[in-house]
Amino acid sequence: AQSVTQLGSHVSVSEGALVLLRCNYSSSVPPYLFWYVQYPNQGLQLLLKYTSAATLVKGINGFEAEFKKSETSFHLTKPSAHMSDAAEYFCAATTGTGANNLFFGTGTRLTVIP
Amino acid sequence: GAGVSQSPRYKVAKRGQDVALRCDPISGHVSLFWYQQALGQGPEFLTYFQNEAQLDKSGLPSDRFFAERPEGSVSTLKIQRTQQEDSAVYLCASSLDRGQPQHFGDGTRLSIL
Repeated sequence: AQSVTQLGSHVSVSEGALVLLRCNYSSSVPPYLFWYVQYPNQGLQLLLKYTSAATLVKGINGFEAEFKKSETSFHLTKPSAHMSDAAEYFCAATTGTGANNLFFGTGTRLTVIP
Repeated sequence: GAGVSQSPRYKVAKRGQDVALRCDPISGHVSLFWYQQALGQGPEFLTYFQNEAQLDKSGLPSDRFFAERPEGSVSTLKIQRTQQEDSAVYLCASSLDRGQPQHFGDGTRLSIL
């Protein structure tokens, strides 16, 4: 079965500081992994995706994530936080087979302190 | 270009009423998904369509939930005899085909009184 765990439901960083949002997955098959961002009262916007190509994935808005099979992790990072990064972030996985429906973590709310 | 459109954005219903939620996917997208997002939680899969065929409905929480996509485009999620625990945001997503990235609508926030 597929599952995704996000450590830390709330993360606060100062503007300009490093952003690190953690995600671990468990899967019996190599997964496809995604990070989505959700602004209030909006749907989810895809930040980046890992689909078994390069392990370091670059996404939009300066975000990137590294797939580490040995650690079953796919942490999201950004070198310098901007006020506009404040939002809810969801890590998600799919097996790449069948319906390809996404399994989501419970989300991490990022607060950026000016 | 047009994204995934969901209507209504907000729906308030009394317990026991039936509701219908609409999803207009991106034109040409073959795959369509419905997710339920409870307050403070991540979205959870409800059902999946490939064109007009409902290939997976394993996430539907009860037989009160019904989804259709009769012409392979617009989809409707219907909830009969609503209960308070049905209160959530219902998200629709579409993708060009199976395995392609999913594009989400802004959701319908359903409140059952």
